[in-house]
Amino acid sequence: AQTVTQSQPEMSVQEAETVTLSCTYDTSESNYYLFWYKQPPSRQMILVIRQEAYKQQNATENRFSVNFQKAAKSFSLKISDSQLGDTAMYFCAFSMYNNNDMRFGAGTRLTVKP
Amino acid sequence: GAVVSQHPSWVICKSGTSVKIECRSLDFQATTMFWYRQFPKQSLMLMATSNEGSKATYEQGVEKDKFLINHASLTLSTLTVTSAHPEDSSFYICSANSPDNEQFFGPGTRLTVL
Repeated sequence: AQTVTQSQPEMSVQEAETVTLSCTYDTSESNYYLFWYKQPPSRQMILVIRQEAYKQQNATENRFSVNFQKAAKSFSLKISDSQLGDTAMYFCAFSMYNNNDMRFGAGTRLTVKP
Repeated sequence: GAVVSQHPSWVICKSGTSVKIECRSLDFQATTMFWYRQFPKQSLMLMATSNEGSKATYEQGVEKDKFLINHASLTLSTLTVTSAHPEDSSFYICSANSPDNEQFFGPGTRLTVL
């Protein structure tokens, strides 16, 4: 069974600074997807970024980028130029290549301070 | 992106009654939908995979007779919590797979059982 581990329950960062959220996972599969989701107080899940395991290049979406280390089974999220609107719960998630049911980590509560 | 709706957004019911939650993909057809449960300050836990026209696949530990799932059309899946008890109080989130295999989440339904 696949497991996803987020070891940072809470983090804070000053506005405009950079913060990195960590995520590790465990799987014996070679093809899979990894995701970072943001859940603001509204509780609507918002996709931040997605990485396909067979792609070596790290995914990037504007201020959000990942450091995908397949051998180490690590998938960290870097948020640059943090904004107050980035304050939310962040979940790392895993899904199989041919089966989209997602396994989520425990989440990291990020607070961006003015 | 594609839109997934849930109805109701919140519901309060008495212990022993049944509650139905609807999940609709508004602008795409979804052969597969997923139901998650999220307790306060916790992560999303996959309950079941709902496949259009066939029986749902339940995760280990989820009672299929307790949580009835019906996916009668390509745009609608329903979750019925039967004989609800206070411990069933939770936030229920659905997601739907689009034809190009993207997964979109509904806004969630807060269930409170008195």
